[in-house]
Amino acid sequence: QKEVEQNSGPLSVPEGAIASLNCTYSDRGSQSFFWYRQYSGKSPELIMSIYSNGDKEDGRFTAQLNKASQYVSLLIRDSQPSDSATYLCAVNIPRGSSFSTGKLIFGQGTTLQVKP
Amino acid sequence: GAVVSQHPSWVICKSGTSVKIECRSLDFQATTMFWYRQFPKQSLMLMATSNEGSKATYEQGVEKDKFLINHASLTLSTLTVTSAHPEDSSFYICSATRRAGGSGTQYFGPGTRLLVL
Repeated sequence: QKEVEQNSGPLSVPEGAIASLNCTYSDRGSQSFFWYRQYSGKSPELIMSIYSNGDKEDGRFTAQLNKASQYVSLLIRDSQPSDSATYLCAVNIPRGSSFSTGKLIFGQGTTLQVKP
Repeated sequence: GAVVSQHPSWVICKSGTSVKIECRSLDFQATTMFWYRQFPKQSLMLMATSNEGSKATYEQGVEKDKFLINHASLTLSTLTVTSAHPEDSSFYICSATRRAGGSGTQYFGPGTRLLVL
């Protein structure tokens, strides 16, 4: 069973703080990892993708990948109330050698609350 | 780029009727489109994967005769919920991956809320 696990939270941080969201996955063959944000009642929105070990930064967001530990994280700096949402970690499971036709396995999501 | 649209955004129907939902990639050609269902307070559940010109691949437990998927072109996939019942009421979301690139990034449509009375 290929699984992706996240702490469901809620994770509560004050405005301006760093929010740290974590995710572990079970399939060692996974190569593509994604973080999506989902506001209540809306569909998921892509925030970051990461494929190599290490850090990847995009504005206030930093994704971290450690394939040896099978661990992906998302850091949100200077958290804003508008960041309050559910954050979904997803891992691509390729079909054969194709990632574009492969499916995403989602974690249950972590609810982030940023308090003013 | 990478915009995906869905139509309609909301649909209310009577039990026993069929409902068709369209998913379009607006600014790219989609290798593959995916259909998800999401119930309140739950994560996304993949229903099926469709590729242009071929039959959809359904996930275990999803009735292919009830949820008909047609992938007519590289920019359009449709999901038809046949003989809908109240338990089919849910948030249906499609996604698509680009034809080229190979990273597996899925871009999601805004979703369709189905309420079956």
